[in-house]
Amino acid sequence: AQKVTQAQTEISVVEKEDVTLDCVYETRDTTYYLFWYKQPPSGELVFLIRRNSFDEQNEISGRYSWNFQKSTSSFNFTITASQVVDSAVYFCALSENTNAGKSTFGDGTTLTVKP
Amino acid sequence: DTAVSQTPKYLVTQMGNDKSIKCEQNLGHDTMYWYKQDSKKFLKIMFSYNNKELIINETVPNRFSPKSPDKAHLNLHINSLELGDSAVYFCASSHGTGFWFFGPGTRLTVL
Repeated sequence: AQKVTQAQTEISVVEKEDVTLDCVYETRDTTYYLFWYKQPPSGELVFLIRRNSFDEQNEISGRYSWNFQKSTSSFNFTITASQVVDSAVYFCALSENTNAGKSTFGDGTTLTVKP
Repeated sequence: DTAVSQTPKYLVTQMGNDKSIKCEQNLGHDTMYWYKQDSKKFLKIMFSYNNKELIINETVPNRFSPKSPDKAHLNLHINSLELGDSAVYFCASSHGTGFWFFGPGTRLTVL
């Protein structure tokens, strides 16, 4: 069975601080995909990143970076120099390696960035 | 052009009614999904379809019935609505095992 744990329910930081959102997952599959999505106050779900289980390279996109470690089953997300516009709920998700396969979302971390 | 669209955006209805939510994607994706987000923001998959074939049917009351008339459409019909059905329902599509492209959501309120 799949499981995704985002232990941090809420995080509050002041603008320009760095913040890391944790994601720990469980799966018996050897091939799987990990995702991060952002849900701003407006409610839409915005794709941030997809990573397959064979690609452990860290990724950086502007102020965003992701650290994937299979050894600890973690896929953490760091925002550098946070901004007020980063305030949102962030979801980590895991999916099977099959078309229309089962997916599991974490419970989300609500990030508030204060000016 | 909207990639994944849902109608209606808001739906307010009485308990016991039957309602439908429509979803269309113009991305040419072969896979479509319905997700439910409850009041605590928890997101859970309900159904997935691949090339109009039902793949995933999670533990969802059989009052919920998805219908996929073609690859570009996946509608959700709900019978005998209950208070607990109040939630935001998101449609999504993907190409194979690619990322899910979500629609804007339909906020269903059952009174």
